[in-house]
Amino acid sequence: GAVVSQHPSRVICKSGTSVKIECRSLDFQATTMFWYRQFPKKSLMLMATSNEGSKATYEQGVEKDKFLINHASLTLSTLTVTSAHPEDSSFYICSARDPWLPNTIYFGEGSWLTVV
Amino acid sequence: AQKVTQAQTEISVVEKEDVTLDCVYETRDTTYYLFWYKQPPSGELVFLIRRNSFDEQNEISGRYSWNFQKSTSSFNFTITASQVVDSAVYFCALTLNSGGSNYKLTFGKGTLLTVNP
Repeated sequence: GAVVSQHPSRVICKSGTSVKIECRSLDFQATTMFWYRQFPKKSLMLMATSNEGSKATYEQGVEKDKFLINHASLTLSTLTVTSAHPEDSSFYICSARDPWLPNTIYFGEGSWLTVV
Repeated sequence: AQKVTQAQTEISVVEKEDVTLDCVYETRDTTYYLFWYKQPPSGELVFLIRRNSFDEQNEISGRYSWNFQKSTSSFNFTITASQVVDSAVYFCALTLNSGGSNYKLTFGKGTLLTVNP
């Protein structure tokens, strides 16, 4: 079964509102989680690294104030898209590394965000 | 910086044909991991294989096989006797084995494989 779970799998929101996506590690404690974004028919681009108990590390070009990441516990990281716009519509997917299994990286099911 | 190149954007084959998906990578590090993921239309990423840079043995898993060649920085993926269910986007990815630091994946652009009946 899934070891990393994302919720919601699909969400539609109105322009200007905020939407939160959750990423949970189910069978292990993840000190580090990653958020990726994928445009249709494109590759996955790393947005940020979520570190439990500290600030996220954002990749160049990713707006920190727009994509808020919180990793308050060892099993949950959240990505909040603030003041969403239609161009934020995308597939967001998280991954988590099991610290006890070297280089084992699990992905969530992904979340489709549509901003109307 | 790392880079993964999947030169084949789209491949179309007829069922039962063999197909090879190419992956070429660039990194200055000597220790790294390579991955292949399958992404069906539903979107989730399905893990297929992980290979570390010190293990150049080729691997076979059912109809899947992987050819890792450090000399050419390639990690190609072959599907034997392809099936319609193999239709998906396939991503090759790389991460550095950087100890306690992040295991960020660098993805190739993906290859869309269509297997026609």
